[in-house]
Amino acid sequence: AQSVTQLGSHVSVSEGALVLLRCNYSSSVPPYLFWYVQYPNQGLQLLLKYTTGATLVKGINGFEAEFKKSETSFHLTKPSAHMSDAAEYFCAVIGASGSRLTFGEGTQLTVNP
Amino acid sequence: KAGVTQTPRYLIKTRGQQVTLSCSPISGHRSVSWYQQTPGQGLQFLFEYFSETQRNKGNFPGRFSGRQFSNSRSEMNVSTLELGDSALYLCASSEGLAGGYEQYFGPGTRLTVT
Repeated sequence: AQSVTQLGSHVSVSEGALVLLRCNYSSSVPPYLFWYVQYPNQGLQLLLKYTTGATLVKGINGFEAEFKKSETSFHLTKPSAHMSDAAEYFCAVIGASGSRLTFGEGTQLTVNP
Repeated sequence: KAGVTQTPRYLIKTRGQQVTLSCSPISGHRSVSWYQQTPGQGLQFLFEYFSETQRNKGNFPGRFSGRQFSNSRSEMNVSTLELGDSALYLCASSEGLAGGYEQYFGPGTRLTVT
């Protein structure tokens, strides 16, 4: 069965600083990996996804993630944080189950002025 | 294109009652999935429908059920509500079943059971 682990339930950065949100996955088959963002009282919005091909994936709002098979990681980064980035971020995987998303526990990102 | 819509957005029910939630997928999308989000358990998969057939089911009791109509709209039903069923219920639609398809989420239905 596939799973994801997000390291750090809360991450706090200053505006303009690097954002790094960590995600490690476990999958018995080559996975599809996703990062979603959730703003208060809203649904999930897809930031980016890895399926096959290039391991560095660029998403919306300046976010990107790198798929590292050797480390089973898919960390999310953004060079410069904005106040509007404050939200909860979820890493998710689709593996052998086909199309069911398995989510990590989420990381609450706080951006300080 | 209009996004995924869910109705109602908020719902308050009493223990023992039943509830039906509705989801309208993006036009042209044939797959609809349902997820439950709670502070304690996080995001958990409930079930997935494609072409009016349940294709995938999560680890939830039989009180949770769903269906999909010929126009791809989906409903989920929870019978004999328990306090622990209080959650945000999210619906997601995608073009197909394969994992490479993006899943687009609706705003959710916030269910409170008292």
